[in-house]
Amino acid sequence: DGGITQSPKYLFRKEGQNVTLSCEQNLNHDAMYWYRQDPGQGLRLIYYSQIVNDFQKGDIAEGYSVSREKKESFPLTVTSAQKNPTAFYLCASSISAGDTDTQYFGPGTRLTVL
Amino acid sequence: GNSVTQMEGPVTLSEEAFLTINCTYTATGYPSLFWYVQYPGEGLQLLLKATKADDKGSNKGFEATYRKETTSFHLEKGSVQVSDSAVYFCALRGATGSQGNLIFGKGTKLSVKP
Repeated sequence: DGGITQSPKYLFRKEGQNVTLSCEQNLNHDAMYWYRQDPGQGLRLIYYSQIVNDFQKGDIAEGYSVSREKKESFPLTVTSAQKNPTAFYLCASSISAGDTDTQYFGPGTRLTVL
Repeated sequence: GNSVTQMEGPVTLSEEAFLTINCTYTATGYPSLFWYVQYPGEGLQLLLKATKADDKGSNKGFEATYRKETTSFHLEKGSVQVSDSAVYFCALRGATGSQGNLIFGKGTKLSVKP
């Protein structure tokens, strides 16, 4: 079955530590995205990548970093510079970055900073 | 800039009631419009979409019509079920300067009682 996997489902981190969230897709999609979801809020875009070895900042990139070395993988690192990292993180992908292309989402990772 | 406004919840209905969740948008150009659904603890699933004015998206008994004259994309279902309880997000994609990224509303929580 094709789809998007995110791991782990739950993640706990101590303050001051960096942590990396995994996102893998086997849909052969060019574009991938990371969103952050806070309670009662819509999703906000952190980073996106339209093609391998290229990525751009979204609306709330500060304190986060990404890489896109392979088409199927788009890991997100939450650094210690992120002031309020506790949130639900969602990864998505689409065939391309075209306006009509549907984005498909993974199941999410819930990060809690202790 | 581009934005999406949807009615605030929570919305509580009895089974078999009629559902409307209002969504209006602000965008330049001609965006694509989407409804996503999120069940507790899960990622988002695409419910339906419309890519041009007067298009009607439909799926699982839900439908929404892209109304450019009123900049709206209201979600409707004639008879809700308990299994429809979830959070519903309206989103737009495309239009000038968006790089193909999704802009989300804040979500509307629906609870359906037996």
